[in-house]
Parts: sequence; structure tokens; C-alpha cells
Amino acid sequence: GAVVSQHPSRVICKSGTSVKIECRSLDFQATTMFWYRQFPKQSLMLMATSNEGSKATYEQGVEKDKFLINHASLTLSTLTVTSAHPEDSSFYICSAYRGGEDTQYFGPGTRLTVL
Amino acid sequence: AQSVTQLGSHVSVSEGALVLLRCNYSSSVPPYLFWYVQYPNQGLQLLLKYTSAATLVKGINGFEAEFKKSETSFHLTKPSAHMSDAAEYFCAVTPFGNEKLTFGTGTRLTIIP
Repeated sequence: GAVVSQHPSRVICKSGTSVKIECRSLDFQATTMFWYRQFPKQSLMLMATSNEGSKATYEQGVEKDKFLINHASLTLSTLTVTSAHPEDSSFYICSAYRGGEDTQYFGPGTRLTVL
Repeated sequence: AQSVTQLGSHVSVSEGALVLLRCNYSSSVPPYLFWYVQYPNQGLQLLLKYTSAATLVKGINGFEAEFKKSETSFHLTKPSAHMSDAAEYFCAVTPFGNEKLTFGTGTRLTIIP
């Protein structure tokens, strides 16, 4: 299967600071990447769809000015949580679409804790 | 619009017994269906997928699933459970591979020694 990495795997920050999370497709190019959020013992909820070279498409209820997404290359998408608050603490998971297999592959996730 | 229902948030089976995890879907177009497995504090690993080819799909680790259009189901099975199968399992649906996945609420599988 395809390999998707995320960095960092865990981050703890103070309230009010910004945090950047990277999602990389290591062995394939991904024109489309997705960002999901998962609360404890719950399912994944899509936050936004990221297309290389264009603006991200956000799901209803997701603040685009708070969750900044940049998909600057075919192997890298970043999610920046701006002015993070404790309620932003969550597990953030990205996926990358591999066209040849018509399948999304997921990264290992980033656990964000905002104090 | 797509939706997924996973019956049973927790399933326990004995080691060596049959594993059956249920998934029913709703889709306005022929769906792509996926099963993913998640181990604690990790991302999702693809187990198998259905994309309008064979209705019986074989995946990794001995899992398989059967697409039944008449029942709008895509149940996951494994003939003999192993301790390493203990994890959270998610069923997901999408109209196309490059569109968002809609996930079920997940089923936590526990294996009894």
C-alpha cells in the first residue's frame, strides 16, 4: 500500500499559539488530500478537502480562518490551527488520494493538546 | 448523499471464532465502499475496498467483505479471529474515490483469549 506521513505525531501548545501539521505522500503524488478530525471514541469527521494549487474546500461549520490549509505541492499539504484553544484539542488525520488505485490512504495522525 | 450505519459499537469474539462486523450504507449513486482498521493512537489502515468489480472482496489479514446491493450491506468477516485483530473498525462510503469519505461510527472488536 501507499505511505502517508504526518508530522508531528504529538504536539502540546499553549492557548493562543498556532500549530502547523504536515501531511506528506511519500511514494506517490496526490492531487487531493483530505483533513479529518477525530474526537475520543468517535468517528472521523471531514474538515476540508485540499487540492494542489487551489484553495481548500471546507465542510460546513469548519472555520477556514482558523484552520488554514495549504496544498503547495503534489506531496505535501499543511494544516495550521491558528490561535489554538483547548476545544481544538483533538486527533487530526490526513488522507491522500492515490489516483491509480482510486483509494485514499491515511496518515498516522497528529494528537494536538492545547493547554 | 451517502451515509453508513455500523450495527454494534462493540463486538467481542473468542480467539479462533468467526468475526462478523456489520455495515449498511445509503447512497444515491453506485458506491465505493471501504473498510479501515485503526489501532490505538494510530491512523487508519485500509483493509479492503469495493469499487463495482467483484462483489466478494478479499483484503489483508484474512478479512473479506461481500457487497450486497439488495440489502445495501457490506459486512466484514474473518473465519478465525486472532488476538492481533483487536482494534476499531470503520466502514466508509464515497461516490468516487477522490471525494470525501463518509464514515460509520466504528465498531470496537475485542478478542477473548
